[in-house]
Amino acid sequence: DVKVTQSSRYLVKRTGEKVFLECVQDMDHENMFWYRQDPGLGLRLIYFSYDVKMKEKGDIPEGYSVSREKKERFSLILESASTNQTSMYLCASSSYQNGVGNEKLFFGSGTQLSVL
Amino acid sequence: GESVGLHLPTLSVQEGDNSIINCAYSNSASDYFIWYKQESGKGPQFIIDIRSNMDKRQGQRVTVLLNKTVKHLSLQIAATQPGDSAVYFCAERGYQKVTFGTGTKLQVIP
Repeated sequence: DVKVTQSSRYLVKRTGEKVFLECVQDMDHENMFWYRQDPGLGLRLIYFSYDVKMKEKGDIPEGYSVSREKKERFSLILESASTNQTSMYLCASSSYQNGVGNEKLFFGSGTQLSVL
Repeated sequence: GESVGLHLPTLSVQEGDNSIINCAYSNSASDYFIWYKQESGKGPQFIIDIRSNMDKRQGQRVTVLLNKTVKHLSLQIAATQPGDSAVYFCAERGYQKVTFGTGTKLQVIP
């Protein structure tokens, strides 16, 4: 069974803290994504990566950075957490590249981050 | 301060009836569309997809319809069951990335 694992289900941090959200996939997928989900706003893409050490900005990258040192792991970093970053964060992966592979996104269960 | 989301549209359906969830997409160049289902406490899960060269695709109890003229996508669920209660997202694939809609909450009334 395919699996995308996010390290924490719930996380509470203070304003100004540096926050790391970890995501690991066991499907040998090339592509990994970070979304945030807010009620009524759907899923918004923060960053994505098509290969190790490669990253691309999504629609709302401000205040975030990412790291992909290994194929299976994609980390989202909040350099200095703010209250407006309180949200559900979803990691996803897929194998689709250059017209080959499975286009479906496989999601983790999400990390609910609260910044106080 | 903390961001406040918009109200999530809700569709209430009697158990056993058919459900129709609608979605308008924005990019006329999108070539692939997907419906995802998200149950409480879980990440979104793939339901069904359709390519832009098709206008209808059927799965088990689900049908997706695509109208490219008006950029509209719909998900039909036959004989809706309590287990269908969830938030449903449409998504479109444009250049390099997948963009999601805002979601519709489906409530099944027993």
